[in-house]
Amino acid sequence: AQSVAQPEDQVNVAEGNPLTVKCTYSVSGNPYLFWYVQYPNRGLQFLLKYITGDNLVKGSYGFEAEFNKSQTSFHLKKPSALVSDSALYFCAVRDASGTYKYIFGTGTRLKVLA
Amino acid sequence: DGGITQSPKYLFRKEGQNVTLSCEQNLNHDAMYWYRQDPGQGLRLIYYSQIVNDFQKGDIAEGYSVSREKKESFPLTVTSAQKNPTAFYLCATGGGPNTGELFFGEGSRLTVL
Repeated sequence: AQSVAQPEDQVNVAEGNPLTVKCTYSVSGNPYLFWYVQYPNRGLQFLLKYITGDNLVKGSYGFEAEFNKSQTSFHLKKPSALVSDSALYFCAVRDASGTYKYIFGTGTRLKVLA
Repeated sequence: DGGITQSPKYLFRKEGQNVTLSCEQNLNHDAMYWYRQDPGQGLRLIYYSQIVNDFQKGDIAEGYSVSREKKESFPLTVTSAQKNPTAFYLCATGGGPNTGELFFGEGSRLTVL
């Protein structure tokens, strides 16, 4: 069965420090991987995706993610966190079988402390 | 402006009543989705539709119904059979095989009194 795991419910980081939000996945075939961000009472906003190509993917607002096939991981990173990055982050996977179903993780709340 | 419009933003319902949430898009996307969000559980797929006049059940379809009569519209009805309907509901559309990512509406928060 396909699944996405975000092992941390919450991540705290000081402003200016690097941040990492973890994601691992299980899917048959080559995965399409995504990161989204959600602010309170809003919809999800797309940050970045990996479909093929370079393992390091750059996205919006200075975020990047590293695809690691051997560890089945797709961790979200940012070199220097901002207080405004505080939000709920979701990792998602779409299988490559053509069903266009997307599976989401349970989310990780990021708190950036001033 | 192109985008996805969900309405209403907030909705209150008495137990035993059906309610319909609207989702309209002008992005010309074929695929549309409904997700339910509860605290600590992430997003769970209710129904999705890849093409007009066709839709499939997701992981938690019981107590919900949908229709897809037009490409632009994918309304979700929360029926009285849904035992715990209070939640935040999100509609999304898909960019298809080339872009891959989903585009989300702003959500509808349903509260059952």
